[in-house]
Amino acid sequence: GENVEQHPSTLSVQEGDSAVIKCTYSDSASNYFPWYKQELGKRPQLIIDIRSNVGEKKDQRIAVTLNKTAKHFSLHITETQPEDSAVYFCAPNNAGNMLTFGGGTRLMVKP
Amino acid sequence: NAGVMQNPRHLVRRRGQEARLRCSPMKGHSHVYWYRQLPEEGLKFMVYLQKENIIDESGMPKERFSAEFPKEGPSILRIQQVVRGDSAAYFCASSRGQFNQPQHFGDGTRLSIL
Repeated sequence: GENVEQHPSTLSVQEGDSAVIKCTYSDSASNYFPWYKQELGKRPQLIIDIRSNVGEKKDQRIAVTLNKTAKHFSLHITETQPEDSAVYFCAPNNAGNMLTFGGGTRLMVKP
Repeated sequence: NAGVMQNPRHLVRRRGQEARLRCSPMKGHSHVYWYRQLPEEGLKFMVYLQKENIIDESGMPKERFSAEFPKEGPSILRIQQVVRGDSAAYFCASSRGQFNQPQHFGDGTRLSIL
């Protein structure tokens, strides 16, 4: 099955700085790469996704980059704000259509 | 445009009882997925269903757990003879289609076993 790892597991940044979270996966058949944000006690919320025919996608302060050869994709958040504080999960989707979640990265943005 | 609806939000059961969790997908979505989340962990896939069909149940425990998505009504995740280890948040997601379609999650059911 798919093996997914996220790094770092915790990340503390100052408000206004950038944050980068990296996700590595093992299944070369994976072809859809979403990132979810989960606040405490809430549902996972899809914030950005990328498909395997694209190398980079940007949506305002959030971007995702994909390196299929190396089997990793990264979440980039610029100009971080306190409300960005949450746990972020990568969840590559294999050919079977199920998401395999990483262990999560707890992002803390200090005002 | 209602999102994925799950109920109940919180469910308390005593050991040995049955738990029934319900999920109604987003309008226009016909694919439903169930995931389980233990505290401080990521979500783990359990089962993938379409109307009247189980597509993939590779993440379901072999005993006590079952899922259905009938022609009419919500998808049901059923846990029989619950044990303390079943305590978790159970999330349902839905998608419009099968291939590389975004999955949107409901608010989850927090199951507590006394």
